[in-house]
Amino acid sequence: EAQVTQNPRYLITVTGKKLTVTCSQNMNHEYMSWYRQDPGLGLRQIYYSMNVEVTDKGDVPEGYKVSRKEKRNFPLILESPSPNQTSLYFCASSLVRSSYNSPLHFGNGTRLTVT
Amino acid sequence: AQKITQTQPGMFVQEKEAVTLDCTYDTSDPSYGLFWYKQPSSGEMIFLIYQGSYDQQNATEGRYSLNFQKARKSANLVISASQLGDSAMYFCAMREGGTGTASKLTFGTGTRLQVTL
Repeated sequence: EAQVTQNPRYLITVTGKKLTVTCSQNMNHEYMSWYRQDPGLGLRQIYYSMNVEVTDKGDVPEGYKVSRKEKRNFPLILESPSPNQTSLYFCASSLVRSSYNSPLHFGNGTRLTVT
Repeated sequence: AQKITQTQPGMFVQEKEAVTLDCTYDTSDPSYGLFWYKQPSSGEMIFLIYQGSYDQQNATEGRYSLNFQKARKSANLVISASQLGDSAMYFCAMREGGTGTASKLTFGTGTRLQVTL
């Protein structure tokens, strides 16, 4: 089944404890991206990757890191999480990196709570 | 300026009735795509329908149709014959296609639809 898989679905952690949220897609998509969703703000892009070894900042990149060593994987790293990073996180991918008619396919989300 | 505006934070509709969710957008790029996503209470984002800026006809997917008015920069989602399972958050989004752009998906703040008996 074609899908984007994120893990974990739920994560509760404490301030400053490094964590990684994994994302993997099996559709051979070039483009991958991370979003965070907060009430009243919609979804905002954190980082994106247009291909292997190519990553760039989105609208809200502070406090996050990403890497794209393989086409299928795009992990999100929080080196020192803070409470303002409590949010619902989505990984997404699309077939063509810069085509405006290519929909994003989303993972099921990771609900992160930082205390 | 907001690129995607959804002015209805919440909507109610009776089962079997049709409902329109509003979306206006702002772009100077001639090439763009407009998308609608559904987010049920379980949290996942489900792609519903797409409309391209050069498409002459309004997009339809089953009970979903997109009322695309290019001159007014609006892309309203119409759900016909509403079902209880349609109760969810709905997001309008746009992807611009300018040369060299990352072509991210920009979202509105969403409309929560509640279908009642």
